[in-house]
Amino acid sequence: ETGVTQSPTHLIKTRGQQVTLRCSSQSGHNTVSWYQQALGQGPQFIFQYYREEENGRGNFPPRFSGLQFPNYSSELNVNALELDDSALYLCASSLGGQQETQYFGPGTRLLVL
Amino acid sequence: GDSVTQMEGPVTLSEEAFLTINCTYTATGYPSLFWYVQYPGEGLQLLLKATKADDKGSNKGFEATYRKETTSFHLEKGSVQVSDSAVYFCALLNTGGFKTIFGAGTRLFVKA
Repeated sequence: ETGVTQSPTHLIKTRGQQVTLRCSSQSGHNTVSWYQQALGQGPQFIFQYYREEENGRGNFPPRFSGLQFPNYSSELNVNALELDDSALYLCASSLGGQQETQYFGPGTRLLVL
Repeated sequence: GDSVTQMEGPVTLSEEAFLTINCTYTATGYPSLFWYVQYPGEGLQLLLKATKADDKGSNKGFEATYRKETTSFHLEKGSVQVSDSAVYFCALLNTGGFKTIFGAGTRLFVKA
């Protein structure tokens, strides 16, 4: 059974740029959730994708967007990067549009300069 | 809105000491409650969970009881080990099941 993987592991961007982060869900899982974890804070829910549709969203602006593909992998896109977007981005996979039992990837650390 | 508050760290204990990390929540409906752990250099892992009032979640010697009357889910362990050093996050899952809200985390250091 393959676990949740994320790429890249680290990324440096400048303010105003756009970034795409990728997540491969655990085998058999059809739901992917994305979280932002600022340094010293708990993860904050960005949104969730279930069967290629967004079915839940946290308090993040529209410049945070995502996709889920037929193989259930997912992308997180952030446009017009701001310094405060610097954080660890985590994805988690689960089943059935629920987060009752979710498995987290190792994260992508984004630094915006 | 829904929220989770947990005690600030760091918490520093000697090996074999008793651990309590306090967690309280605010939520509408009937959330599920969780403790996650983040070991140094590793990803976030589910430690234990409870899905309804008076349920007790337990794993690896850790326990937490879902107390609806006090809106609490305190984490306890009777005898900590150096290997328990990590950051612990209390979290709730909303009634719809699609939005997990995390506390700020509590860092635990256990000294030999």
